[in-house]
Order: sequence, then C-alpha cells, then structure tokens
Amino acid sequence: DGGITQSPKYLFRKEGQNVTLSCEQNLNHDAMYWYRQDPGQGLRLIYYSQIVNDFQKGDIAEGYSVSREKKESFPLTVTSAQKNPTAFYLCASSIAGTSRTDTQYFGPGTRLTVL
Amino acid sequence: AQSVTQPDIHITVSEGASLELRCNYSYGATPYLFWYVQSPGQGLQLLLKYFSGDTLVQGIKGFEAEFKRSQSSFNLRKPSVHWSDAAEYFCAVGRMDSSHKLIFGSGTRLLVRP
Repeated sequence: DGGITQSPKYLFRKEGQNVTLSCEQNLNHDAMYWYRQDPGQGLRLIYYSQIVNDFQKGDIAEGYSVSREKKESFPLTVTSAQKNPTAFYLCASSIAGTSRTDTQYFGPGTRLTVL
Repeated sequence: AQSVTQPDIHITVSEGASLELRCNYSYGATPYLFWYVQSPGQGLQLLLKYFSGDTLVQGIKGFEAEFKRSQSSFNLRKPSVHWSDAAEYFCAVGRMDSSHKLIFGSGTRLLVRP
C-alpha cells in the first residue's frame, strides 16, 4: 500500500532534550511538509521541502530542524530551543509542491508530550 | 494577507439530519480550495477540492461543497449525516505566493447525536 508513515505515534520527552520524529512516504512524491497542530487551531507549517537536499522554513520554524537526504524521508527534529513543543505533528507529501493545485496527503501524526 | 475562517468551532447535528459547515476565505484571485476531515488522533483525509469549473464539487463519503465567489465561501454539505461523520473538518486554501502552500482554517468539530 502506498502512503505516509510517521513514527512513533506517541513520544515523550524531558525538557532540554532534542527529539526526532520520523516521516516516510512511498508515494514517489517530490514535496514533503511538516505541520504542527494545537487544540482549537488549524495546522501551522513548520518546514517544507520541494526536492531532495533542499528545504524551506514555514511559518513557525524556530526551534525545529529538518533534513531531506532521501526522497522518501523527511525527519523533523524538535530541539530544546522550541519553547512549547507539546503538540500533534503531522507530515504530508504532494506530487511536486510547485502548484497550488497539488493535493497534500497526510500521515497519521505523532503526538509529542514534554514532561 | 490570505486567510481562511471557519466561524463554527463546534456543530452538533442529529444522525440523519443535513449538515452545512461554513468556510470563508480572503483572496484576490480564483482560490484553490480544499476540505479535509480528521478523526480523533489521526491524520487528515482529503474530502474534496475546487480549482475551477463547476462551482458544485462532489467529494468522498457523500460530501459536496459549493464555491460562491460573491460570498467568498466554500461551504461543505451533506444531506444526511451518519454517526461515523463525527470528526473535525478543516477548510484550506492554496497560497498565492511562490510557496504554493496551504493555509488552514481553525477547524469545526462535528458531533453527531444518535
């Protein structure tokens, strides 16, 4: 089955620790995205990548980092600099990311809780 | 700046009743509009999208949406709601800048009474 997988589903972190969220897709999509979702709010874009070895900051990139070494993988690191990291994180992908008509397909999400 | 507004935070309907979820956007040109649904603790699933042409768009699960340029709206409708439709619904618009990213509304949570 083609799709997007995110792991782990639940993640707990102590304050001051970095943590990496995994996102893998086998849809052969060029573009991948990371969103953050907080209760009662829509999705906010953290980072996106339209091609391997290239990525751009979204609206709320501070305290986060990404890499795009392979087409199918786009891991997100939540660093200790992120002041309020507890949230639900969603990864998405689209065919090209170069058109407003591109449909984004979402993974099941990772819920990160900072203890 | 572009924005998407979903004025209803929660909506409760009885099973079998009709449903309309509101979405208003601010955008100068022809918008590219999307509706997604999210079940609790899950990712988002695309219900339908509008790019051009017929202003009434059919989607999955019996949903439809109508684009009304004069009202800057893209409301989602379903004639008869099922208990399994209980979820959160997000309207989104494609950005007009070079990023081509999506701007999401804050969502409407649908509760279905038996």
